[in-house]
Amino acid sequence: EAGVTQFPSHSVIEKGQTVTLRCDPISGHDNLYWYRRVMGKEIKFLLHFVKESKQDESGMPNNRFLAERTGGTYSTLKVQPAELEDSGVYFCASSRGQIQYFGAGTRLSVL
Amino acid sequence: AQRVTQPEKLLSVFKGAPVELKCNYSYSGSPELFWYVQYSRQRLQLLLRHISRESIKGFTADLNKGETSFHLKKPFAQEEDSAMYYCALRHNSGGSNYKLTFGKGTLLTVNP
Repeated sequence: EAGVTQFPSHSVIEKGQTVTLRCDPISGHDNLYWYRRVMGKEIKFLLHFVKESKQDESGMPNNRFLAERTGGTYSTLKVQPAELEDSGVYFCASSRGQIQYFGAGTRLSVL
Repeated sequence: AQRVTQPEKLLSVFKGAPVELKCNYSYSGSPELFWYVQYSRQRLQLLLRHISRESIKGFTADLNKGETSFHLKKPFAQEEDSAMYYCALRHNSGGSNYKLTFGKGTLLTVNP
């Protein structure tokens, strides 16, 4: 069984540019979560999808972040425009029940 | 508000020594606690959860509601245990939302 896949593994962009991160969950997992870890801080919840619906987006930092999950399969997280403080590692996780399976993460560097 | 505290950023022990990674939490309801581990160049993976009360790779963790702790222990550390360990709390908010609150993590190094 393939695990959670995230693309790209690393992205380096300049402040003001747009970046789109992608997450492919484990097949059959209705729940999809986004988390991020910024330098020196803990891993923080961003949002949760159940299929294509946003169940909880209380962790999204501001309106520069837009997450979608069209068709209830893969999800994208777009940052537009990116700021320096957005640098960090973005994790995606999926689950069928209570156990979340994580992807390897996307390291975002905003210069 | 819910919070998970891992007081040690770094922990270094020798092979064969006992190891304890501390985790304290604050949560108003009945929490579910997890330990996740991230080995070098690998993804975050579940190590164990308190409700299963099992031992994985020789590690155990007991939920102590009186002390609001969920410390991870292993009697004899191995070099392959070197990794980043995260304690996490799942919110019992009902429905299917199982979002996790993580501690900052403890980097465990087991020296030969």
